[in-house]
Amino acid sequence: EDKVVQSPLSLVVHEGDTVTLNCSYEVTNFRSLLWYKQEKKAPTFLFMLTSSGIEKKSGRLSSILDKKELSSILNITATQTGDSAIYLCAVEEGRANFGNEKLTFGTGTRLTIIP
Amino acid sequence: DTGVSQNPRHKITKRGQNVTFRCDPISEHNRLYWYRQTLGQGPEFLTYFQNEAQLEKSRLLSDRFSAERPKGSFSTLEIQRTEQGDSAMYLCASSLGSAGGPYEQFFGPGTRLTVL
Repeated sequence: EDKVVQSPLSLVVHEGDTVTLNCSYEVTNFRSLLWYKQEKKAPTFLFMLTSSGIEKKSGRLSSILDKKELSSILNITATQTGDSAIYLCAVEEGRANFGNEKLTFGTGTRLTIIP
Repeated sequence: DTGVSQNPRHKITKRGQNVTFRCDPISEHNRLYWYRQTLGQGPEFLTYFQNEAQLEKSRLLSDRFSAERPKGSFSTLEIQRTEQGDSAMYLCASSLGSAGGPYEQFFGPGTRLTVL
């Protein structure tokens, strides 16, 4: 059974702090790893990672994949109250020449930013 | 709005009733996915379509659950004889993806089902 594990489950920090969220996975045919942000609604796409060691960056958020360690981290610098959300990690397992397939999600990290 | 849309946004039903949810994907996306999310958990995959073909349905939770995408555009998810354990958020996502990729899956706002 495929597995995606996120840590910590919950994190409370002060505005301005930097946070690192972790995701580890066990899948048979890894194709991609995705990060989503979920507030009180549907998940919003943040990053897709397919290659090891290449950092993806969007403003204060960045993420990197380590295929050797079967893990990824999501960094948020200079946190703001609007960053408070659940951050979900998902892994896509794929078959060759079959295109996109289902995502297996972790349980998420609940991030709370205190003003 | 050109994103994924879902209707209704909320559904309250009594145990034993049938419910149907609709998802309209992003227009150029040929893959459509259904997920279920319960409190404190990440979304759980149910089924997905490539155009009108249902490519995997083994993860549908029981034979009370069925999904269709008859013309390869919108999709419906039906739950027959609802049970209280069916209460959850039902999420639809769409992506490109019959070849190439991988491609991001974009999620709709979800339908929150409450079974009394």
